[in-house]
Amino acid sequence: GNSVTQMEGPVTLSEEAFLTINCTYTATGYPSLFWYVQYPGEGLQLLLKATKADDKGSNKGFEATYRKETTSFHLEKGSVQVSDSAVYFCASLKAAGNKLTFGGGTRVLVKP
Amino acid sequence: DAGITQSPRHKVTETGTPVTLRCHQTENHRYMYWYRQDPGHGLRLIHYSYGVKDTDKGEVSDGYSVSRSKTEDFLLTLESATSSQTSVYFCAISEGTSSEQYFGPGTRLTVT
Repeated sequence: GNSVTQMEGPVTLSEEAFLTINCTYTATGYPSLFWYVQYPGEGLQLLLKATKADDKGSNKGFEATYRKETTSFHLEKGSVQVSDSAVYFCASLKAAGNKLTFGGGTRVLVKP
Repeated sequence: DAGITQSPRHKVTETGTPVTLRCHQTENHRYMYWYRQDPGHGLRLIHYSYGVKDTDKGEVSDGYSVSRSKTEDFLLTLESATSSQTSVYFCAISEGTSSEQYFGPGTRLTVT
């Protein structure tokens, strides 16, 4: 079956540091891939997505590239802000399916 | 923001009592989902619906039932709540298969 593995947190950074959160997936076929963000006390918000190999999703300074050869979808941001403190979830959606498979989430804390 | 509301937002109940959580959408999306979020597990799918009166089980459906009598409402029922069902419950919607899902604000349920 499908599965998503992402690095465990918490990840603690200083403001303006570079952020990387690793995500790898296992799936049959070519799933769509997503990053969701959950701010404290809120629901999940879609951050970015990619639907095929080599696609790059980007939003709010975050980027992730769909790498078929390494089955990865790592999230990056060049200069984080305190407001980026949140829990980040990687997820996959198999082709022609409607069931999202989530990773365990990575908590990120950005300190001033 | 997608028009999704959940009620109640917080609930404390005793073991053995029935509990119903409501999800309401104003987007007219066909698909609706119920997830639970627990530390270290990310989000896990409980049940989903692909139309009025059409529902199916997810990966953690034991102890839960759902109903969808109208496009806009999706109800999750715990017939006899147990302490293992203490969790945060999220509703989500999507337009169709292979579409991103949009999440509600969540319901925090505590079973004592």
